[in-house]
Amino acid sequence: DVKVTQSSRYLVKRTGEKVFLECVQDMDHENMFWYRQDPGLGLRLIYFSYDVKMKEKGDIPEGYSVSREKKERFSLILESASTNQTSMYLCASKRGPLGYTFGSGTRLTVV
Amino acid sequence: GQSLEQPSEVTAVEGAIVQINCTYQTSGFYGLSWYQQHDGGAPTFLSYNALDGLEETGRFSSFLSRSDSYGYLLLQELQMKDSASYFCAVRDRAHNFNKFYFGSGTKLNVKP
Repeated sequence: DVKVTQSSRYLVKRTGEKVFLECVQDMDHENMFWYRQDPGLGLRLIYFSYDVKMKEKGDIPEGYSVSREKKERFSLILESASTNQTSMYLCASKRGPLGYTFGSGTRLTVV
Repeated sequence: GQSLEQPSEVTAVEGAIVQINCTYQTSGFYGLSWYQQHDGGAPTFLSYNALDGLEETGRFSSFLSRSDSYGYLLLQELQMKDSASYFCAVRDRAHNFNKFYFGSGTKLNVKP
């Protein structure tokens, strides 16, 4: 089974800090994704990557950037954290044509 | 654009059958997936329908009608452990067929 590992389960950061969320998958998947999950809003796509050094904006990319230097690692960067970026962040790797395998999530609080 | 609608909450008793509906609008439909998420956990993949009809996997079944832009997840012989949120997600062929767009989720409460 594919394993998707997110480096932190809980994070607390200050407003204005630069924040890095790391995600690693242990299979040779080309496609990786970052979602944020908020109550009543479901999962919203921030960015995705279909190959090393390739990235595409999702539906809510503002305030975020990503990095994919190696196939197994996809990083989400909050350039200057703000309180409205307090959320659950989920990384996913594509599981064939059917669906995603998700990491266990990072709950980020920006104070 | 894409939009998905599903009920926000459903309650059922242990041993019963429950159906969670999902209607969608998308510019280029490719398939419908269902995910389960327990409180504090990650979403886990349940099923995927690309063609009309019913797909069965144990106690769970998923149905799709592309002409009606509608699908549902059917859970039989409900167990307490089925209490979770269930998300439908459409795979959109526009732009990049690998993307899924998610509904806001249905919280299923299973009561004894």
